[in-house]
Order: sequence, then C-alpha cells, then structure tokens
Amino acid sequence: DSGVTQTPKHLITATGQRVTLRCSPRSGDLSVYWYQQSLDQGLQFLIQYYNGEERAKGNILERFSAQQFPDLHSELNLSSLELGDSALYFCASSVGQSANYGYTFGSGTRLTVV
Amino acid sequence: GNSVTQMEGPVTLSEEAFLTINCTYTATGYPSLFWYVQYPGEGLQLLLKATKADDKGSNKGFEATYRKETTSFHLEKGSVQVSDSAVYFCALLYNFNKFYFGSGTKLNVKP
Repeated sequence: DSGVTQTPKHLITATGQRVTLRCSPRSGDLSVYWYQQSLDQGLQFLIQYYNGEERAKGNILERFSAQQFPDLHSELNLSSLELGDSALYFCASSVGQSANYGYTFGSGTRLTVV
Repeated sequence: GNSVTQMEGPVTLSEEAFLTINCTYTATGYPSLFWYVQYPGEGLQLLLKATKADDKGSNKGFEATYRKETTSFHLEKGSVQVSDSAVYFCALLYNFNKFYFGSGTKLNVKP
C-alpha cells in the first residue's frame, strides 16, 4: 500500500456522462498530481495542486477539471465523456511543490466509457 | 521541448540474464531523471533517480547513470529475477514538478 488512495478502482459509464474520481494523498503530502495513462498516449500529466491551489497544468482537456479540498483530498471531474477518455487515471502525491524526490502513486482508477 | 524515448518492448529474458533498457531524453535545462516500475494492477513506484550529470542511481540491484553527453539514462541489472517482470518507465522531471514519461518497456523474465 503506497499510502495514496484512489476511488473507485473501476468505473464504467456511458458517453456524454460525467464522473468524479477521488484521491487522498499520502499522509503529510501537500501536492497532488493527476495523470492519464492510455495505450496510445502513454502517461500524460494533467494537473497539479499544492495545498489547495493549482500549481501546474499539462494536457488537460477543457471538459476535465480538478480541485483540492482543505483536507487535501482531490477530485478529478470528467464531463461530456467520450470513448477516447477510457483510460487509467492515476493520482500521485509529494510532500512539497517540487517532485524532486519522486512521486508516490496510487493504484489508479480504470475508466471505461461505452 | 521535453521528451523521453525508451526502447520498444516487450523484452524477454531468462532468469539471471543481464538487463539493459535504453532511455534517451530531450530537455531544456538540467532535468532530474528517474526510473519507475509498474507491476500489474498497481501504480508506478519510484525505482531510482539521479539529479545531475554523472550521478548514478541504484536500488534493488538496478542501476542507471545520468549521461549528459549522450542524453541517456539506461537502466541495467546484472541478474534479473522472475519477480522483476513489470513495465519500466523512464522519466524526466522538468521545472521541479512536471514529469515527462517514456512509453514504458515491458520486461518478461522466464524461469
């Protein structure tokens, strides 16, 4: 157990729907990062939050949004879902704003859009 | 821009064989370099890292040396075990908070 908790583990939903993925970082970590892992795109950085504030943005679609709450858990919201959004979504955490000591990854949420 | 290129997999080896997984990078500035490992059904785990040129990262028998002149960070292990079967990702850390990952190399070790 890495200490980073992601729920749910699996999610199946229809096109056009909206889902929320949840992540609780490792105890003491203030930064949360979201990644999308798909077969064709590999592992893509989506967004980082540090202590409730957005810190860095990657290849995140406008249909996707995220936030980090005062208790430091984070949610990734995916709306108007398309078949191509099917992927593994990973959350990772680190102590500070910098990831220079590496991330701790959760085990991911597998999203299937049908 | 920043990018990481890894050798295509899968790599299939017999137990106790020598492993090399090639990784090269393109980056602005002086990134830190990492290797992560992903076992089936799990998230990525940090395997080793190097933060500057000529640094060697090592862990669990795996090693990689940060070579600035060849922009490489090849992963090596002298004697692989069946339990090393996994997907290995090379990554560079840009601007202290954004990772760029390679496409991953699947390693199969046969007894």
